Amino acid sequence: EDQVTQSPEALRLQEGESSSLNCSYTVSGLRGLFWYRQDPGKGPEFLFTLYSAGEEKEKERLKATLTKKESFLHITAPKPEDSATYLCAVNGGATNKLIFGTGTLLAVQP
Amino acid sequence: EAGVTQFPSHSVIEKGQTVTLRCDPISGHDNLYWYRRVMGKEIKFLLHFVKESKQDESGMPNNRFLAERTGGTYSTLKVQPAELEDSGVYFCASSQDRGYGYTFGSGTRLTVV
Repeated sequence: EDQVTQSPEALRLQEGESSSLNCSYTVSGLRGLFWYRQDPGKGPEFLFTLYSAGEEKEKERLKATLTKKESFLHITAPKPEDSATYLCAVNGGATNKLIFGTGTLLAVQP
Repeated sequence: EAGVTQFPSHSVIEKGQTVTLRCDPISGHDNLYWYRRVMGKEIKFLLHFVKESKQDESGMPNNRFLAERTGGTYSTLKVQPAELEDSGVYFCASSQDRGYGYTFGSGTRLTVV
């Protein structure tokens, strides 16, 4: 069964303290792994798509990497405005639906 | 470009009543998706339209849920009659091509009391 597990569930960082979020996945025939950011009361906001193991993408203080079993979202020198829930999702198999993890709630304190 | 618009943003209804949620996708996006997040759980797929056709409705919980997409433009999701377990946030998303990053709306928070 296709599954996505994110860890940790919650993470509290000091401003400038770098860290990584993990997304482990099981899917038959991965077509894409997606990272989203979600702020309270808003819908998920697209960050990255990764398609194959070894691929990396960067955007400002965020860098996403992908292996055959997991993805990491590295946050370098975070700022308070990076506080949000980060969601990981995979698309694969016979359908076009996204399978989401439960997310990591990130809080960056000044 | 305008994003995905959902209406209403919040809805509180009594058990047994009917509620209709609306989604306006990004213009030109043939793919439209409905997802739902119930409290404490992950976001889960409900169904997928390609233009006006239902491509995949494997995530629809039961026959109390009816989704339509008129003329391949906006979509509605009707819950009739609503039950307590239907409470949650309903998200709509659209994409131009399959497999690419979807654009999500802000969601409709449905509370059934």
